[in-house]
Amino acid sequence: QMTQSPSSVSASVGDTVTITCRASQDSSFWLAWYQQKPGKAPNLLIYGASTLVDGVPSRFSGSGSGTDFTLTISSLQPEDFATYYCQQTNLFPLTFGGGTKVEI
Amino acid sequence: EVQLVESGGGLVQPGGSLRLSCADSGFTFNNYAISWVRQAPGKGLEWVSSISGSGGSTYYADAVKGRFTISRDKFKNTVSLQMHNLRAEDTAIYYCARTRVSRGWYFDYWGQGTLVTVSS
Repeated sequence: QMTQSPSSVSASVGDTVTITCRASQDSSFWLAWYQQKPGKAPNLLIYGASTLVDGVPSRFSGSGSGTDFTLTISSLQPEDFATYYCQQTNLFPLTFGGGTKVEI
Repeated sequence: EVQLVESGGGLVQPGGSLRLSCADSGFTFNNYAISWVRQAPGKGLEWVSSISGSGGSTYYADAVKGRFTISRDKFKNTVSLQMHNLRAEDTAIYYCARTRVSRGWYFDYWGQGTLVTVSS
């Protein structure tokens, strides 16, 4: 089980947003983060808890290990308003967090 | 450029069957694991099933085990999800996703999704 918080957050352009994800059991560094915009498929941002996918802006960063993980978006941009999901990649069944909607 | 395309979605009655297909464009499809992930209307993401690059290993969520079967056709470069005994709670957009297995199993490219609606 992956517990993500908050479920939604209101922020302004330029803000820093932090999203947390807690695993019910040790996931080591095996965690991914995705961004999803309305009507679109999810987009991989980070894997291995902290490795940024090529082409993803450096204002996105991931940290954590074991059971506690964090996605930080620094200097929020208009295109960052979306829903974010964590996913443990370690064990089957693969599981996602419930999502965090970042709203203006 | 990697491009995954799903097909086969539609309206089906409860208890019915449907077969989804995922085809690739632009990468060596058979070298990669492929997964299906679904999203019910207005809800979050739910992993459904995965198949290894060789096709020799398959994995299922408990919610679909015994009803869904994932398979791949290496000659046609497609992955299919055969769904039987469909229920209302299976209604969702079904995405196929290329799956990396280097640091666990995660999804680096996604298709546009195909809608499955289970309703009488």
